[in-house]
Amino acid sequence: QKEVEQDPGPLSVPEGAIVSLNCTYSNSAFQYFMWYRQYSRKGPELLMYTYSSGNKEDGRFTAQVDKSSKYISLFIRDSQPSDSATYLCAMSEGGSTLGRLYFGRGTQLTVWP
Amino acid sequence: KAGVTQTPRYLIKTRGQQVTLSCSPISGHRSVSWYQQTPGQGLQFLFEYFSETQRNKGNFPGRFSGRQFSNSRSEMNVSTLELGDSALYLCASSLSGEQYFGPGTRLTVT
Repeated sequence: QKEVEQDPGPLSVPEGAIVSLNCTYSNSAFQYFMWYRQYSRKGPELLMYTYSSGNKEDGRFTAQVDKSSKYISLFIRDSQPSDSATYLCAMSEGGSTLGRLYFGRGTQLTVWP
Repeated sequence: KAGVTQTPRYLIKTRGQQVTLSCSPISGHRSVSWYQQTPGQGLQFLFEYFSETQRNKGNFPGRFSGRQFSNSRSEMNVSTLELGDSALYLCASSLSGEQYFGPGTRLTVT
């Protein structure tokens, strides 16, 4: 079992829809949680960075962390065709291993006009 | 501020050869991490360097090595290339935890 599980999709939604992306994990030592967006043949782009449990909002994006359930989510409101990409969740234990990220396999999202 | 740069962007090598990839971090960032991305395994951590010292290491064989210079630029080396080493190699730089990735080097081993 991988330490971070993520449904690979693909997920296809119409423009304007609310998108929900999720990851589960098994390592209770994870404290830092990130979401990245990766377009085809590009490097991952950091979208959200959160510490411990709670919610964080940035524009159309909301990240939620529930450490008790070992479950994190990313919500995209008013989705746009330009949001079509692969979304990766990532986690770190922090401390001296802050630089080591564990990634989910990524969810491929298509937003059609 | 300029982002993370990686050179070369594309590389084709033959089995048994060795390769060196380069990464220049964002100015002021002292941590550089390297990852391998493949369709089968996704993104996997190789190693992290901070102030010229390897701080963390992933579960890759000793053929994969790296180093960091005093200006924080980093290189990774893969010796005795195997077909399975074909992948996108990504480096990321960090100042205080948030990692910013470069565009990657796509390595093809034939």
